[in-house]
Amino acid sequence: KAGVTQTPRYLIKTRGQQVTLSCSPISGHRSVSWYQQTPGQGLQFLFEYFSETQRNKGNFPGRFSGRQFSNSRSEMNVSTLELGDSALYLCASSLSGQGEAYTFGSGTRLTVV
Amino acid sequence: AQSVTQLGSHVSVSEGALVLLRCNYSSSVPPYLFWYVQYPNQGLQLLLKYTSAATLVKGINGFEAEFKKSETSFHLTKPSAHMSDAAEYFCAVSDPRNTDKLIFGTGTRLQVFP
Repeated sequence: KAGVTQTPRYLIKTRGQQVTLSCSPISGHRSVSWYQQTPGQGLQFLFEYFSETQRNKGNFPGRFSGRQFSNSRSEMNVSTLELGDSALYLCASSLSGQGEAYTFGSGTRLTVV
Repeated sequence: AQSVTQLGSHVSVSEGALVLLRCNYSSSVPPYLFWYVQYPNQGLQLLLKYTSAATLVKGINGFEAEFKKSETSFHLTKPSAHMSDAAEYFCAVSDPRNTDKLIFGTGTRLQVFP
């Protein structure tokens, strides 16, 4: 069965621009989470969606937002990009997020120049 | 608040030697605990998880971990290292009352020498 698919794999953007990243979860999975991975801060939780509702949010500025569609696909958006937003953005999905392990995608590597 | 501490950002072992990666957690309630592995330029792959069943958890690729409540530890072990085990390993915790969010440790990079 297909895994978690993230597009694009690599992205280069300029400071001040905005970016949208996409995540298609495993078929049947309704919980989708997003994480930011950087060498300095490690893996940090951004937000989690279940059935189109945001259930949990990490400590990131409002420039970071997300949404989930009725087919469970999710997008995250970062507006007014800063150099510090350069990171690997990982999406993960699970059936319901209730104690189940998440399956991660390969990530989108965002570079802000 | 929950937290995870991974002792040792780098661990080096010889091929065939025991692998021991340390993880200690802080939680006000019995947590769910996970070990993930990350190979270069890839996402995270689940090795094993503890969700309050047996305290000794067996995972993929010959890895196992033991939940020790008295020591608040969940160390990852493998009896005999392979070259292919070289990767970064992350311990993570979630609160059973709020399982939507994983708190990760800072990771341990495992090197395996021939």
